[in-house]
Amino acid sequence: DTAVSQTPKYLVTQMGNDKSIKCEQNLGHDTMYWYKQDSKKFLKIMFSYNNKELIINETVPNRFSPKSPDKAHLNLHINSLELGDSAVYFCASSQELGGGYTFGSGTRLTVV
Amino acid sequence: AQSVTQPDIHITVSEGASLELRCNYSYGATPYLFWYVQSPGQGLQLLLKYFSGDTLVQGIKGFEAEFKRSQSSFNLRKPSVHWSDAAEYFCAVGPHNNNDMRFGAGTRLTVKP
Repeated sequence: DTAVSQTPKYLVTQMGNDKSIKCEQNLGHDTMYWYKQDSKKFLKIMFSYNNKELIINETVPNRFSPKSPDKAHLNLHINSLELGDSAVYFCASSQELGGGYTFGSGTRLTVV
Repeated sequence: AQSVTQPDIHITVSEGASLELRCNYSYGATPYLFWYVQSPGQGLQLLLKYFSGDTLVQGIKGFEAEFKRSQSSFNLRKPSVHWSDAAEYFCAVGPHNNNDMRFGAGTRLTVKP
């Protein structure tokens, strides 16, 4: 069983479209995250959710919106996609403080 | 705010040679420290972590790391590198009061036959 699963693995779309990336964790973790990894492998946190409450929101454009229907899911919705949104997006989850994160395998988004 | 610096963007070592990847952090107190590995096309996998206590921590795949408070460092080591260790390695720091983890820019490891 995959601990943190993301779908789709690859996503190619045109500028201006709206798309969603889904994430599910079966670890019973309380906190879930979205990270963006750019072409230089730099990882930047975008959002985290703890028990359905947004607790971190770095300077991310409001075109990006996280949606958490329950503790096991944190989906990422992106409106009006731009070329600069092309990246790999990782979902992750964690339990106790300092326990480290469990990452999904990533979604490679390409905007053309 | 906490930050992490990995001075080496790319390191090449021969198979069987020893390895040390450098990591320096900036934080006002003792942070939680982590090393992750990312194989091509994969997500990040936790290698090891430091919270407190023994400053030398053992991780998976034969890796270890040493926390040196005086140098604000948490370098990753392996005595003998295998070809399968070729990957991107990330150092990360997190505060004790929440899970806001920050990652370094990563070090790409190439292993020569």
